[in-house]
Amino acid sequence: GAVVSQHPSRVICKSGTSVKIECRSLDFQATTMFWYRQFPKQSLMLMATSNEGSKATYEQGVEKDKFLINHASLTLSTLTVTSAHPEDSSFYICSASRQINTEAFFGQGTRLTVV
Amino acid sequence: QKEVEQNSGPLSVPEGAIASLNCTYSDRGSQSFFWYRQYSGKSPELIMFIYSNGDKEDGRFTAQLNKASQYVSLLIRDSQPSDSATYLCAVIGPSYNNNDMRFGAGTRLTVKP
Repeated sequence: GAVVSQHPSRVICKSGTSVKIECRSLDFQATTMFWYRQFPKQSLMLMATSNEGSKATYEQGVEKDKFLINHASLTLSTLTVTSAHPEDSSFYICSASRQINTEAFFGQGTRLTVV
Repeated sequence: QKEVEQNSGPLSVPEGAIASLNCTYSDRGSQSFFWYRQYSGKSPELIMFIYSNGDKEDGRFTAQLNKASQYVSLLIRDSQPSDSATYLCAVIGPSYNNNDMRFGAGTRLTVKP
């Protein structure tokens, strides 16, 4: 199977600080990686799509200067939540797919709490 | 109209019964369809994918796709309490950017012993 590793799994940070979340595809090269946010009892909300070596494509309403995405290689993408605020507290999940129009595999998710 | 629609449930079935989960999508040109299971507090895990009209079976799971009706379903036979989770329907459509996958809101399934 395809394994996607995401860490940290949990992070608590102070308001105003930045937090970096890593997403790695361990046994395959990911053409595309995706970042989602999920609030309690709600569905996954796509935040952005990233392809290796190019700028991420952000969904409408997602601030690209606040949620910095870097896709440095075919196996690593990072999401940095800058100047975090309590309303940014959420479950952040990445996924990765090998090829266009194929299944995506999810990381374990990161539960971010901003205090 | 939402791109991917599911009945939010909750859907409750007794142990051993067949659970039927339904999903409709708006983009007629969509080609790839997926079912994910998500336990509370965890990330989604892939159950099945289907690309062609008809049925696809994998163990106790059967995915059904009808592109003319823009409808995809998941049947779970011999439901077990461990199947209790939220089931997410996902679609990749040609009008979406960069291969991104759109999710329905999910159907919460409860299997009662």
